[in-house]
Amino acid sequence: DSGVTQTPKHLITATGQRVTLRCSPRSGDLSVYWYQQSLDQGLQFLIQYYNGEERAKGNILERFSAQQFPDLHSELNLSSLELGDSALYFCASSDRDRETYEQYFGPGTRLTVT
Amino acid sequence: GQNIDQPTEMTATEGAIVQINCTYQTSGFNGLFWYQQHAGEAPTFLSYNVLDGLEEKGRFSSFLSRSKGYSYLLLKELQMKDSASYLCAVRDRGLSFGAGTTVTVRA
Repeated sequence: DSGVTQTPKHLITATGQRVTLRCSPRSGDLSVYWYQQSLDQGLQFLIQYYNGEERAKGNILERFSAQQFPDLHSELNLSSLELGDSALYFCASSDRDRETYEQYFGPGTRLTVT
Repeated sequence: GQNIDQPTEMTATEGAIVQINCTYQTSGFNGLFWYQQHAGEAPTFLSYNVLDGLEEKGRFSSFLSRSKGYSYLLLKELQMKDSASYLCAVRDRGLSFGAGTTVTVRA
């Protein structure tokens, strides 16, 4: 157990819909990262937040957005869903003060778009 | 852009040693990580290299050569539970991952 929690574990929705994925980082971790893992694309970095501020952006679509709240939990919003958005979405957290910047991954949310 | 290459699959026998190579060409570099991922589960941290050389951690070792854009993960005394995907990742802002190497350990 990494200490990172994600809800829900599974989500099934239809094309065109909007969903929100939630992540709670490990206690004390200020950085939250979102990743998408699909069968054909591997693990892709989407976005990072540090202490409430957006810090880095990866391959995140304009239909996707995220935010980090004052209590440090984060939400990833996916809208106008397409079949290709079906994937495992991981959240990871890290304590940016540590030298190794090791990221601890949550168990993931499996999104199925039908 | 980021380009991280590692072999797709490797098979080895229980008790043996396997070396997984990773080459990278990335726009930035702030360290190289190796993660283990069992099917359907979250990646778990194995090792981190930011300076050239070998880092040893029990049965696992990782090597980095920054000038060559090259790393390897060495798994010794293989056990059946080591059957998993091994992901090489370069830290720039987020982590850029390779596609992963699926290691199958056979009895």
